[in-house]
Amino acid sequence: EDKVVQSPLSLVVHEGDTVTLNCSYEVTNFRSLLWYKQEKKAPTFLFMLTSSGIEKKSGRLSSILDKKELFSILNITATQTGDSAVYLCCKTSYDKVIFGPGTSLSVIP
Amino acid sequence: DAGVTQSPTHLIKTRGQQVTLRCSPKSGHDTVSWYQQALGQGPQFIFQYYEEEERQRGNFPDRFSGHQFPNYSSELNVNALLLGDSALYLCASSRQSYEQYFGPGTRLTVT
Repeated sequence: EDKVVQSPLSLVVHEGDTVTLNCSYEVTNFRSLLWYKQEKKAPTFLFMLTSSGIEKKSGRLSSILDKKELFSILNITATQTGDSAVYLCCKTSYDKVIFGPGTSLSVIP
Repeated sequence: DAGVTQSPTHLIKTRGQQVTLRCSPKSGHDTVSWYQQALGQGPQFIFQYYEEEERQRGNFPDRFSGHQFPNYSSELNVNALLLGDSALYLCASSRQSYEQYFGPGTRLTVT
């Protein structure tokens, strides 16, 4: 079954910590890997990754894809309370879109 | 520039009834996808519309149907509602890519 696995499922850290969120997927008809942040309702787009080994960066967030080992990581440095959210990983292929269950991150002061 | 909009924001229906949810895509986007998100889970892909046709479909029964209009807006219809259909329904739009932008969602409660 084509699926996306995220780990950990939940995480509690202190402000200023660095966190790494993991996403692994199955290779079937891979097109892209996307990361989203979901706070209250609508997931907000963070990154889209299509090529292996090229890091994408936005402020304190960065992400990279390894197409050989079939995984991606999302790094957040110097975490802030505003980073508390569910982080969703999504794999797209040419015939379907599959989200992982998400990692719930809580950043405490 | 308005982002993706959805209506209504909340809806309460009774088992067996039918419901229609609406979505207007972000300006310049021509592709609309619908997702169902149960509490504590990731969004589940329902289907995607492009050029007024269903292009892809997830593992949902025929009770779930949709439509896309010439102005790219879209509707999701669910017939014969079940208690298990209670969820947040998300619409996402894109322009022929998977960099999707999500709307705020419609919270459907089936009693």
